[in-house]
Amino acid sequence: AQKITQTQPGMFVQEKEAVTLDCTYDTSDQSYGLFWYKQPSSGEMIFLIYQGSYDEQNATEGRYSLNFQKARKSANLVISASQLGDSAMYFCAMRANNAGNMLTFGGGTRLMVKP
Amino acid sequence: GAVVSQHPSRVICKSGTSVKIECRSLDFQATTMFWYRQFPKQSLMLMATSNEGSKATYEQGVEKDKFLINHASLTLSTLTVTSAHPEDSSFYICSANPGSPLGYTFGSGTRLTVV
Repeated sequence: AQKITQTQPGMFVQEKEAVTLDCTYDTSDQSYGLFWYKQPSSGEMIFLIYQGSYDEQNATEGRYSLNFQKARKSANLVISASQLGDSAMYFCAMRANNAGNMLTFGGGTRLMVKP
Repeated sequence: GAVVSQHPSRVICKSGTSVKIECRSLDFQATTMFWYRQFPKQSLMLMATSNEGSKATYEQGVEKDKFLINHASLTLSTLTVTSAHPEDSSFYICSANPGSPLGYTFGSGTRLTVV
């Protein structure tokens, strides 16, 4: 079974600063994918970034980067130069390729950006 | 890009009535649709996986007779909450994989309130 843990229920960050959202995972599968989604108050799920288990380079997408430490089973999201619009819930999720292709989500972190 | 259209976005119904939620893949064929439920301030929990032309697979603890899933075509999956009760009030969201390894396109969600 897959498990995703996000230990920070809530985080504050000052506008224009960087913030790291933690995510650890547990799986016995060798092949898996890790995702980060943003969920604003409207409820939509916005894909941010993806890291495959065999990817050697950390994924980056604009202001988002994923700090992938495979041995530690962590996949932290780093948001640089925070903006007020970054205030939202953030979910880490995993797809284990031998587990039916569904996503398993962590509990989420609410990020609040202060002006 | 791939879009999943989910309707209705909000619904209020009386206790004891049934509510149908539709998810349509607009520009791709979705052989599988994932249905999630999200209670306030909680994460997304997978309820069931619907497969076109066959029975849905339900997660442990989800009542099959209460949450009826139909996936009659490659572009339409429906979730019917039967005999709804206030405890069924939640945010329901569907997701499908359009074939990209990055996965998953989500519907915009349905906020169900049972009074």
